Amino acid sequence: DTEVTQTPKHLVMGMTNKKSLKCEQHMGHRAMYWYKQKAKKPPELMFVYSYEKLSINESVPSRFSPECPNSSLLNLHLHALQPEDSALYLCASSQVPTSGTTDTQYFGPGTRLTVL
Amino acid sequence: AQSVSQHNHHVILSEAASLELGCNYSYGGTVNLFWYVQYPGQHLQLLLKYFSGDPLVKGIKGFEAEFIKSKFSFNLRKPSVQWSDTAEYFCAVNNGQNFVFGPGTRLSVLP
Repeated sequence: DTEVTQTPKHLVMGMTNKKSLKCEQHMGHRAMYWYKQKAKKPPELMFVYSYEKLSINESVPSRFSPECPNSSLLNLHLHALQPEDSALYLCASSQVPTSGTTDTQYFGPGTRLTVL
Repeated sequence: AQSVSQHNHHVILSEAASLELGCNYSYGGTVNLFWYVQYPGQHLQLLLKYFSGDPLVKGIKGFEAEFIKSKFSFNLRKPSVQWSDTAEYFCAVNNGQNFVFGPGTRLSVLP
């Protein structure tokens, strides 16, 4: 099973709302990722969790707050977003990359976020 | 900084035409290479990957790619495209520390 699931599929929120995106995988992967993808652009890495600890934060604004409550779950908490934050938010998971190994990333279907 | 380039922004082909999408990367060390496809309205799916060994790798749906180390290239090919191959194609490179996507090539196949 190479499935990564994400909820919700679509989310519309106002600039003062607080919402959360959820991601789940049961492949035993210990690395999980959040990406942001604008239309017709490649995914841009936001955060990487390795063994449930934040290992990479690509200078993402604090209005995005990731959380990894356990090895299967990854959340992205959203607060006070701007209209330009509207995008497809993708979750991915992989084995934790170590020297000499590889980490194919498996992607979820994404959450289409619209900020009004 | 490691970068990935894809030669074409948009490719338009007729059904049964042959396809080659270019991908070049700038990193000089050992890399792992991937092609992902994103069909309209769908999520990223792995087409194929190269880690080591035979530089010609075969993926799903009749796609293959050839790793040419001397040219830092990993071009994607398919001998005969179908209308259902219409999608965005992303090359990606992993050097063990960074996973970087290319800008993508949009393929439109005309029926």
